[in-house]
Amino acid sequence: SYELTQPPSVSVSPGQTARITCSGDALPKQYAYWYQQKPGQAPVLVIYKDSERPSGIPERFSGSSSGTTVTLTISGVQAEDEADYYCQSADSSGTLFGGGTKLTVL
Amino acid sequence: QVTLKESGPVLVKPTETLTLTCTVSGFSLSNARMGVSWIRQPPGKALEWLAHIFSNDEKSYSTSLKSRLTISKDTSKSQVVLTMTNMDPVDTATYYCARIRLVDSGYDFDYWGQGTLVTVSS
Repeated sequence: SYELTQPPSVSVSPGQTARITCSGDALPKQYAYWYQQKPGQAPVLVIYKDSERPSGIPERFSGSSSGTTVTLTISGVQAEDEADYYCQSADSSGTLFGGGTKLTVL
Repeated sequence: QVTLKESGPVLVKPTETLTLTCTVSGFSLSNARMGVSWIRQPPGKALEWLAHIFSNDEKSYSTSLKSRLTISKDTSKSQVVLTMTNMDPVDTATYYCARIRLVDSGYDFDYWGQGTLVTVSS
């Protein structure tokens, strides 16, 4: 069955660049979306259509796609970026989420 | 201002049926570019998509839970209802409703409710 695979955790120091990957066989055919979830809060959309940023999301968040892998990049990581990040893809039959990546800011 | 709010029981017993209501405001359930999904998250675990419904009443369900789920909407009340039968302790989770925004050939969730924690226990 189709899956989206993310690393369980990524750690970076403040000011560095964090890269979170998401792999799936259908990603060349479907857009990917990224959500940030902080403890006790609902997820927030931070990237849509692989690389588009919703209004209100800081420019340090960006997305890219290459083959079966999409990447969320956070440049100049700040302490407030510590959170869980989920990738998602969808078609007319439904939606799939990745297993989530915990970003730790050291 | 777009808002979604989940309501329903906080505690259900094993084998019971769970009924959750999502009341939306700031957009119409008849909007052709939008829909509503239910998504859950067990404590400490990942998000799991459950079901969605669009303005034309098109519905889709998670393959693994399809036999237990029913989604419906009342456009006049701005409500989307999810029922899940035969609840089990493993169904303990925070249940979210989220607005679907159609984006080219796919869709994303641009607004979410605050979520409601449902515990399954006798």
